[in-house]
Amino acid sequence: DAGVIQSPRHEVTEMGQEVTLRCKPISGHNSLFWYRQTMMRGLELLIYFNNNVPIDDSGMPEDRFSAKMPNASFSTLKIQPSEPRDSAVYFCASSSQLGANVLTFGAGSRLTVL
Amino acid sequence: AQTVTQSQPEMSVQEAETVTLSCTYDTSENNYYLFWYKQPPSRQMILVIRQEAYKQQNATENRFSVNFQKAAKSFSLKISDSQLGDTAMYFCAFMSSNAGNMLTFGGGTRLMVKP
Repeated sequence: DAGVIQSPRHEVTEMGQEVTLRCKPISGHNSLFWYRQTMMRGLELLIYFNNNVPIDDSGMPEDRFSAKMPNASFSTLKIQPSEPRDSAVYFCASSSQLGANVLTFGAGSRLTVL
Repeated sequence: AQTVTQSQPEMSVQEAETVTLSCTYDTSENNYYLFWYKQPPSRQMILVIRQEAYKQQNATENRFSVNFQKAAKSFSLKISDSQLGDTAMYFCAFMSSNAGNMLTFGGGTRLMVKP
């Protein structure tokens, strides 16, 4: 398995633009997580899905952020409009409820909003 | 809500020596899981070791071992025979047994292994 695949690896955009981050979880994993990592706040859970259904989105900062999981093999995290304070590394992770409760992380998407 | 605290922002160790990273957590639950993840400069999050709270035996993975003290809510990571490739950020994380597979992370400890 290729692991959790995220794209893009790096994105630089201007304030006000829409940003879409993508994630392909490990085949067979039924839970998917979006985390944000910043120097000030560390690793924060934004939202997680179980069997494609959003279970807990209490970590989503505000209405500018939205996440979808249209099928078991794809998820997006969208920021519209983006702001400089959204600059961070965004990680996607997946796990199997039948496994050893281990989250496997993607390589992350580094977002810079100018 | 659970909290995870790593009180050592930075540590250093000489190559081939042993170092221990500290982690404490707060929970009212009895069943849960604890993890250490490593994040090298490549920023990839890599699982180092996992501990189930109902197991008294401390987990070990080659040069990595933990000291799990459930009553004290302490979960330290010991790295033996440190190698240059161990240089990374290390994150302690907590997972409840009844809240999906969500991880709550500590703030991290930056470890530098010196030649």
